[in-house]
Amino acid sequence: DIQMTQSPSSLSASVGDRVTITCRASQSISSFLNWYQQKPGKAPKLLIYAASSLQSGVPSRFSGSGSGTDFTLTISSLQPEDFATYYCQQSYSTPWTFGQGTTVEIK
Amino acid sequence: EVQLVESGGGLVKPGGSLRLSCAASGFTFSSYSMNWVRQAPGKGLEWVSSISSSSSYMYYADSVKGRFTISRDNAKNSLYLQMNSLRDEDTAVYYCVGVLASDAFDIWGQGTMVTVSS
Repeated sequence: DIQMTQSPSSLSASVGDRVTITCRASQSISSFLNWYQQKPGKAPKLLIYAASSLQSGVPSRFSGSGSGTDFTLTISSLQPEDFATYYCQQSYSTPWTFGQGTTVEIK
Repeated sequence: EVQLVESGGGLVKPGGSLRLSCAASGFTFSSYSMNWVRQAPGKGLEWVSSISSSSSYMYYADSVKGRFTISRDNAKNSLYLQMNSLRDEDTAVYYCVGVLASDAFDIWGQGTMVTVSS
């Protein structure tokens, strides 16, 4: 199975900050990497697919990069509605696996 | 509007069974693969099972293999998860998830809670 490791597990940031979350795969997954946002009590929402493609309707302050084993999710200017938990997920091979999540909290 | 609505969750004793359902609307259900993803209380996301559009292929996480069965009825626009021999560790919110426009989980239902407890 492909293990996905996110860092950090949590972070505190202020509105307007630039935030970067990293995700590392235990083996190369090419660009088969997706990012999700989840708010408390809600279903996850797809933000980025194929490592860097922005899902329709997602604000352009979200961006993704990387290939192979190392990936990043960047929020260019953190907004109040962005405080949430973020998960990466590989779609290279079954079992599809998720990172453990990164919680973005208000500083 | 593209929508997935789960039902069938509830409280069940260890060793018991439960069948989850997911009703799809707003898209051509028969054209897309579907999945179940779960989330234990306070924990992260765990993929459970996938089924191809025509039910030709089904995949399971090792944690549920041999106990859970995924199925679909394209005529009824519905996805199912039959869960047998339930364990405490199966307690979670179960999400019905579609792979529509990308190679990612792009459509999610609201989730249904399954609690396994004596």
